[in-house]
Amino acid sequence: QKEVEQDPGPLSVPEGAIVSLNCTYSNSAFQYFMWYRQYSRKGPELLMYTYSSGNKEDGRFTAQVDKSSKYISLFIRDSQPSDSATYLCAMSTSGTYKYIFGTGTRLKVLA
Amino acid sequence: GAVVSQHPSRVICKSGTSVKIECRSLDFQATTMFWYRQFPKQSLMLMATSNEGSKATYEQGVEKDKFLINHASLTLSTLTVTSAHPEDSSFYICSARGTSGMRYEQYFGPGTRLTVT
Repeated sequence: QKEVEQDPGPLSVPEGAIVSLNCTYSNSAFQYFMWYRQYSRKGPELLMYTYSSGNKEDGRFTAQVDKSSKYISLFIRDSQPSDSATYLCAMSTSGTYKYIFGTGTRLKVLA
Repeated sequence: GAVVSQHPSRVICKSGTSVKIECRSLDFQATTMFWYRQFPKQSLMLMATSNEGSKATYEQGVEKDKFLINHASLTLSTLTVTSAHPEDSSFYICSARGTSGMRYEQYFGPGTRLTVT
């Protein structure tokens, strides 16, 4: 079993839809949870960074962490074609700087 | 803020030659830099972690003599792929972690696409 599981997609949604992206994990020691967006042939761009459980909102993006279920989510409201990219979740424990990445979910927002 | 650059963005080399890739943090000091490798449609695989002024820590299965890492300053780390072979062709991405505040996260460079012919 991988430490971090993420559905690779692709996930296709119409413009304006609410997108839900998810990751599950097995290591209960993970404390830091990140979401990155990666466009084709580019480096990942940090979208959200959360510590422990709870919600965090930034513009159209909301990150949720449910440590009891070992489940994290990223919601994108009013999705745009420019949101089409691969979304990677990443996690780390408090004692290390090493990130464990999910495989990424490819999102396509159709105009 | 938190900009990381990589150079070159793309390189083609012949089998047997060595290639050096630079990673720079442009607006913050990075005590720790990371080197990743990414194959098409796959996630990032951590190759090594480098701290300024000390030897890099390599992940299991990564040949340290083949992938030489030098973290010479708080803003520069280099990855040298020695005696490159076609199977080393990949997308290499670095990231940098700052020393305080929001810079604790990893910020990624734009990547370097290496093609070995």
